[in-house]
Parts: sequence; C-alpha cells; structure tokens
Amino acid sequence: QKEVEQNSGPLSVPEGAIASLNCTYSDRGSQSFFWYRQYSGKSPELIMFIYSNGDKEDGRFTAQLNKASQYVSLLIRDSQPSDSATYLCAVIGGGATNKLIFGTGTLLAVQP
Amino acid sequence: DAMVIQNPRYQVTQFGKPVTLSCSQTLNHNVMYWYQQKSSQAPKLLFHYYDKDFNNEADTPDNFQSRRPNTSFCFLDIRSPGLGDAAMYLCATSRQKADTQYFGPGTRLTVL
Repeated sequence: QKEVEQNSGPLSVPEGAIASLNCTYSDRGSQSFFWYRQYSGKSPELIMFIYSNGDKEDGRFTAQLNKASQYVSLLIRDSQPSDSATYLCAVIGGGATNKLIFGTGTLLAVQP
Repeated sequence: DAMVIQNPRYQVTQFGKPVTLSCSQTLNHNVMYWYQQKSSQAPKLLFHYYDKDFNNEADTPDNFQSRRPNTSFCFLDIRSPGLGDAAMYLCATSRQKADTQYFGPGTRLTVL
C-alpha cells in the first residue's frame, strides 16, 4: 500500500466549475498535510496546509481533512485555465522521521 | 523577498563527469532538503540537513553527496552521473523539522 495515494487523473473540469482533488494516507499518526501545485517543468508551489480536522479556506481554495477516514481533499472554486497543473498531496508522517511523503499527484485540466 | 534560489536552472553534463548543483536561501531556515524528481513521479528525498546535522536517506545512491558549508548554502554533488540520474533536482527549506517546506525553482539535469 502506498503511503499517500492520489488519482493520477487527468481530472477535466470546465472553466468556472469546482474541481475536487482527493488524497488518502496510510499513517494514522500523520499530523500535517499539504497541497502543492506543480506546473509542467516547474517546482512545487505551496497552496495550502492543514493540521486540524475540518475545512480551511484561502481564497478560491478549501482544504478538507478527515483524520478518522485518513482523507484530505482540495476544492478549487471557480476553476480557471491557469489552475491547470499537477496537484501534489503531501503528508508529514507520525514518529521521529518528520519526513514529507508525497503522492504522485493529480493532473487537473480546466477547459476554457 | 525571502526565497530559495537554485543554480544553475539547467545543467547538461556528460556521462561520468562530476557535477555540482547549488542552493541558497534567504529565509534563515534551519533545515535544507534535496529531492530528485523524475517525469510523472513524486519528489524523492535524497538528503536533508538539520543545521549541520546531515541525514542521508537509506536508498540514496552513493554517487550522490551533499555539503552545507553554512546556513544559507547547500550543494548536491553527483560524482559520476549516469543516464538514470537525469531528473529535476529540487532544493527545499523549512524553519524546523516537520514545518512547511518551501521549494526553489529546481535544476533540470541532462546527462549525455
């Protein structure tokens, strides 16, 4: 079982719609959860982080965390073509390693 | 602006010819990381420094070494690059272990 799992996509949504990106993780002791956006050929850019169960909103982005289900998601409202990128879910596991574990990412394509 | 800088952005080397990639940061973060990312894959942690304390991932090839002469700079040395080492190399920093990681723009390495 992979430590952090994401659907590779592509997830195609029309411009203006809500894009929903999902991620599950295997380490129940994980405490910190991150979403990075990565454009093709570029480096990961932090979009949001979340530590507590529930929702966290920042502009058009909402991160949702459910530790009981080991599930974290990212909602993008009013999707724009410029949102087209790979979205990487990353988790810092429990224990002493403090290592950031990445999923392989979901490719989002926003159609004009 | 505080940031993570990587040089060069693109590096071409010949099979077996040593190469050094550099990373600098103005964030005054204690932790610096080197990741390798190949196409359509998640970033893979190679090493990290917590201040001067060096941590090597168990599966990082012996061909890869790192130096951190001071808080601001960190280098990745590839002693004898093989074709399989062609990848994007990402430097990241965090204030402390388990804190949010911020990435530099990356260095794209091509091995001929």
